[in-house]
Amino acid sequence: AQRVTQPEKLLSVFKGAPVELKCNYSYSGSPELFWYVQYSRQRLQLLLRHISRESIKGFTADLNKGETSFHLKKPFAQEEDSAMYYCALSGQRAGGYQKVTFGIGTKLQVIP
Amino acid sequence: DAMVIQNPRYQVTQFGKPVTLSCSQTLNHNVMYWYQQKSSQAPKLLFHYYDKDFNNEADTPDNFQSRRPNTSFCFLDIRSPGLGDAAMYLCATSRVKKLFFGSGTQLSVL
Repeated sequence: AQRVTQPEKLLSVFKGAPVELKCNYSYSGSPELFWYVQYSRQRLQLLLRHISRESIKGFTADLNKGETSFHLKKPFAQEEDSAMYYCALSGQRAGGYQKVTFGIGTKLQVIP
Repeated sequence: DAMVIQNPRYQVTQFGKPVTLSCSQTLNHNVMYWYQQKSSQAPKLLFHYYDKDFNNEADTPDNFQSRRPNTSFCFLDIRSPGLGDAAMYLCATSRVKKLFFGSGTQLSVL
């Protein structure tokens, strides 16, 4: 089974403070990890994926297979970062298709 | 803009009255998904299509059915909605493992 855990439902930080959204996963194979974001009144959209090793809107995430974690980080929070963030895992299923499992989400609130 | 479109944005139905939710895409992606998301919960995969091949999740209730008449359209049919089926229903397509979501349909069951 594949599982994604986001331990914090709500994270409040002050503008300019560092942000770390935690994500841990459980998967027996080699996973692909993603962060999706949903801004107020917008659709869920991809923020970044671990294989790209990129920084999007100042956010980065490193896959740590030893700790089975994929935490999302940003050194200086901005008000426009306030949103719902979902960690997701794509795992191989029987039949060859990919199943994407989501965590419960963390609401990031950046206080001006 | 190419995108995933869900109609309607809000749907109200009565307990036990069949309801159909619609999804269309202009991305020409092979894979389409339906997720159910209840308040403060993770989106939960109900089923997906790879082209016309239908894949049902083991824990998806029989009350939920789906149709995909062509590449562009996919429908979610709830045969006899119960109060517990009130949720946001998300349609998504995928390419290279990246998901593209619609805005969702919020279903209320009275």
